[in-house]
Amino acid sequence: GAGVSQSPRYKVTKRGQDVTLRCDPISSHATLYWYQQALGQGPEFLTYFNYEAQPDKSGLPSDRFSAERPEGSISTLTIQRTEQRDSAMYRCASSLHPPGHPYEKLFFGSGTQLSVL
Amino acid sequence: KNEVEQSPQNLTAQEGEFITINCSYSVGISALHWLQQHPGGGIVSLFMLSSGKKKHGRLIATINIQEKHSSLHITASHPRDSAVYICAVPSSGGGADGLTFGKGTHLIIQP
Repeated sequence: GAGVSQSPRYKVTKRGQDVTLRCDPISSHATLYWYQQALGQGPEFLTYFNYEAQPDKSGLPSDRFSAERPEGSISTLTIQRTEQRDSAMYRCASSLHPPGHPYEKLFFGSGTQLSVL
Repeated sequence: KNEVEQSPQNLTAQEGEFITINCSYSVGISALHWLQQHPGGGIVSLFMLSSGKKKHGRLIATINIQEKHSSLHITASHPRDSAVYICAVPSSGGGADGLTFGKGTHLIIQP
């Protein structure tokens, strides 16, 4: 696609429910990142994919968080048994090049604002 | 894991002023990103640099690898430059485990 697309734009859920967020990166981009951004804070790394491989998921806050990119393109981030502290903006970014590559440039989606009541 | 410090946290300046935002990190890196987050929330990549200096319009980014420090400069600042500026570096230096972000510098340019 022309840019990184995330859906839904807003998600309101009740505590204890599961939610799934979707990221559609720029086609041909190998690298896809998920970030969590609390209000007034910088983004915090959650995990990233190199095509369908997930080399690092150390940023996922707990085992309630999981991410997939089964075909190396669209990715989903699932939060099980949501808690109020999960409320944040969840952002996805993609890059043609791998992390740390001299020509890496990140393209960010608009994010999904998650509110857990 | 890399630690990133940005300064200042908040900056208010008058239109036309020369702006400098600083970023320091703790672990040697292959490249550093400067990002701009608009008031509406969207994030745009401004620069990715691994050495020296890059210029794009009124924006200049410099990096000193030895001192683990980068600066973002804005010349002839304008109210539309008002945004949050964030630097990001590879979490372990080499990049294999994602990026660590600074908390951002909130810049307001008053007319």
